Amino acid sequence: QSVLTQPPSVSGAPGQRVTISCTGSSSNLGAGYDVYWYQQLPGTAPKLLIYLNNNRPSGVPDRFSASKSGTSASLAITGLQAEDEADYYCQSYDISLSASVFGGGTKLTVL
Amino acid sequence: EVQLVESGGGLVQPGGSLRLSCAASGFTFINYNMIWVRQAPGKGLEWVSYISTTSRTIYYADSVKGRFTVSRDNAENSLFLQMNSLRAEDTAVYYCARSRGIVTTGADSWGQGTLVTVSS
Repeated sequence: QSVLTQPPSVSGAPGQRVTISCTGSSSNLGAGYDVYWYQQLPGTAPKLLIYLNNNRPSGVPDRFSASKSGTSASLAITGLQAEDEADYYCQSYDISLSASVFGGGTKLTVL
Repeated sequence: EVQLVESGGGLVQPGGSLRLSCAASGFTFINYNMIWVRQAPGKGLEWVSYISTTSRTIYYADSVKGRFTVSRDNAENSLFLQMNSLRAEDTAVYYCARSRGIVTTGADSWGQGTLVTVSS
């Protein structure tokens, strides 16, 4: 199991809103470490989607937003588009492991 | 434009060694900490290693500690991962990525990856 827990899959119709959760513990998100989100389109390298919990790099549409509270974080995608179909990963740091950790990933399917 | 290009992957027998390289361009390499991340076939991302700008600070995942060695050559804008005592479970696409800061931060640029297959 991953240190950060994500749902294996989520789905939504075009135009809808979906959220992806990332649940950690007191040794990572709960310890105040920031969360990062990545989008991995099929057959490609991961791409930074969100940094420092809720910030979008330039070029990332504002349809993507994120938040963090306590030991949990979430990524929200509004106005779903077919091109959003991808795997999404959260990442943070774990003080107990002294290592950066990823969530197991969530496959988003646009119906 | 930031570019990271990995090379050196391939097929290697269990117990063997391989050295991965990552050529960086489009940014001032010496100013950035770097990381390696891997992804086994059909699986999720796994953080492997981190190296600071001066190579003074280095971290490894427990799964590779004692077998993998990360290094960098700032004069050549290159990052390396020496992998020894390879196991079947090391089979993965290996990505090099530019860290946004210290080891607790994420990565803002990624290479396309290089595939390492450990099999007899």
